[in-house]
Amino acid sequence: DAKTTQPTSMDCAEGRAANLPCNHSTISGNEYVYWYRQIHSQGPQYIIHGLKNNETNEMASLIITEDRKSSTLILPHATLRDTAVYYCIVSPTTDKLIFGTGTRLQVFP
Amino acid sequence: DTEVTQTPKHLVMGMTNKKSLKCEQHMGHRAMYWYKQKAKKPPELMFVYSYEKLSINESVPSRFSPECPNSSLLNLHLHALQPEDSALYLCASSLRTGRDTQYFGPGTRLTVL
Repeated sequence: DAKTTQPTSMDCAEGRAANLPCNHSTISGNEYVYWYRQIHSQGPQYIIHGLKNNETNEMASLIITEDRKSSTLILPHATLRDTAVYYCIVSPTTDKLIFGTGTRLQVFP
Repeated sequence: DTEVTQTPKHLVMGMTNKKSLKCEQHMGHRAMYWYKQKAKKPPELMFVYSYEKLSINESVPSRFSPECPNSSLLNLHLHALQPEDSALYLCASSLRTGRDTQYFGPGTRLTVL
């Protein structure tokens, strides 16, 4: 079973920041937080991952709370191409990624 | 080249047919994965290969038979499938198993009649 809870859907205006929350209250000390997204009819795409420090790359930022029980994925300037299902996954390894139901992000003009 | 390719894109087969799905990567990755994704559901892991050896089988029925003939190629042989096996089959690869990023292919959409 997935160990994360995400909102079913969110909307975001183009050009604005999209903040996608994820609860993982039972996360273990050796588990990382991974974010993937799946654009319609495509394979999932890796976005970012982190253990306890905040992380940033060219796609997004990941903010993990100090107690590690929740995190937020931030897309700083959402575009229409960011419309997708976003999956938050916690796992000690990438061998067995267990995808939850994810958040369907709709970016509108 | 960070591409995982899958063929065919679409496949329609009868319950008595035998068919194969193919996945290829040329990134030097030594871990490869098969996932199944039903409509409007998240992907579910089926198999993991590490250095051409099967390391994880998530209790997949024997009508699905994976094969990893070399480090670049992963096949999924299908035989006597049921209509409920209709789904998007996704292949992924990573440098190694562990914490390396998985790169996914576009998938093969399978319909079983």
